[in-house]
Amino acid sequence: DVKVTQSSRYLVKRTGEKVFLECVQDMDHENMFWYRQDPGLGLRLIYFSYDVKMKEKGDIPEGYSVSREKKERFSLILESASTNQTSMYLCASSLVRLSSYNEQFFGPGTRLTVL
Amino acid sequence: AQTVTQSQPEMSVQEAETVTLSCTYDTSESDYYLFWYKQPPSRQMILVIRQEAYKQQNATENRFSVNFQKAAKSFSLKISDSQLGDAAMYFCAYCLEDMRFGAGTRLTVKP
Repeated sequence: DVKVTQSSRYLVKRTGEKVFLECVQDMDHENMFWYRQDPGLGLRLIYFSYDVKMKEKGDIPEGYSVSREKKERFSLILESASTNQTSMYLCASSLVRLSSYNEQFFGPGTRLTVL
Repeated sequence: AQTVTQSQPEMSVQEAETVTLSCTYDTSESDYYLFWYKQPPSRQMILVIRQEAYKQQNATENRFSVNFQKAAKSFSLKISDSQLGDAAMYFCAYCLEDMRFGAGTRLTVKP
């Protein structure tokens, strides 16, 4: 089974702090994604990566950055956390980008609260 | 940009009954993929069913089936013989290069 793990289930941070959310997948997937999930808005793509050291902006990249130094690890960075970044953050990975097997496998999520 | 609309924020079904969750999407493409994902309370999101747009036959996975109407850009999910474990948020998703999700439908199953 594909396993996607996230470093924390719950996180509380203060405004202005730098926040790191870590995601690790164990199935040698090429593609990794970071989403935020908010009620009534579904999942919105923040950043994604199709290869090591490669990153592309999603729909809502402002206030975030990412790092992918190793294939299995994809980190989301909040440079200076703000209260409007309080949300559920989901990491996902997939094997092939354009394919009928483009199923994404999700981590358990990190519920971040910024005070 | 492609958009996905789930018009039912909440749905309720009696155990053992059938329920249909609606999803519509907007695209100018002809080849793409559609998915239904399930997110149980406090648990990871998992794939329920997928459909390739070039296939006319509706996908089926055990008690889950879809009604894919390509011309109408509609992709509904039917759950037959509903079980308590089906209670979850259900997300419809469209994928060409990137996955686009709807806002979700919260399904409650009444015993």
